[in-house]
Amino acid sequence: AQSVTQLGSHVSVSEGALVLLRCNYSSSVPPYLFWYVQYPNQGLQLLLKYTTGATLVKGINGFEAEFKKSETSFHLTKPSAHMSDAAEYFCAVTEGYGNKLVFGAGTILRVKS
Amino acid sequence: DGGITQSPKYLFRKEGQNVTLSCEQNLNHDAMYWYRQDPGQGLRLIYYSQIVNDFQKGDIAEGYSVSREKKESFPLTVTSAQKNPTAFYLCATLAGANRAQYFGPGTRLTVL
Repeated sequence: AQSVTQLGSHVSVSEGALVLLRCNYSSSVPPYLFWYVQYPNQGLQLLLKYTTGATLVKGINGFEAEFKKSETSFHLTKPSAHMSDAAEYFCAVTEGYGNKLVFGAGTILRVKS
Repeated sequence: DGGITQSPKYLFRKEGQNVTLSCEQNLNHDAMYWYRQDPGQGLRLIYYSQIVNDFQKGDIAEGYSVSREKKESFPLTVTSAQKNPTAFYLCATLAGANRAQYFGPGTRLTVL
């Protein structure tokens, strides 16, 4: 079965600093990979996805992620954090029949002014 | 206005009662999913449905039931057999070739 590991349940950065949220997955076949963001008491919003093709994927709100097969990683970055980026972020990978998603435990991002 | 709606937003239930959570979509997506979210555990799959009148168990189906009588609707029933039902429940649909799941706003269920 697939698994997804997000390093760091909480990450704190200053406004304007680089955001780096880490995600590693276990998969023996090329996966589909996703990053979602969740604000308190809301559903998940898709930030970006990797299916095939270019390994550097750009998403909404200035976020991007790079698929590195050799490292089984899909880390999320943003060059300059904004206060509105404070939220919980989830990395997910598809698994098997039915395009089911397996999620990491999430990383709460705090942005300090 | 296209999208996924879940109702109610907040739901309170007494122990021993069954309760049904609604999920409706007008995106014309074939596949629908139910997830449960608990703090620090990410999301876990309860049930999913690829087409009308067909559905499969996910990782934590015990104590839950679903139906898929219409393409637009995928209600989830939390039965009295679910030992710890207090959680945030999220419904999602799959955008075909896009391969991404899109989520509704969620229902927070609290057992009193």
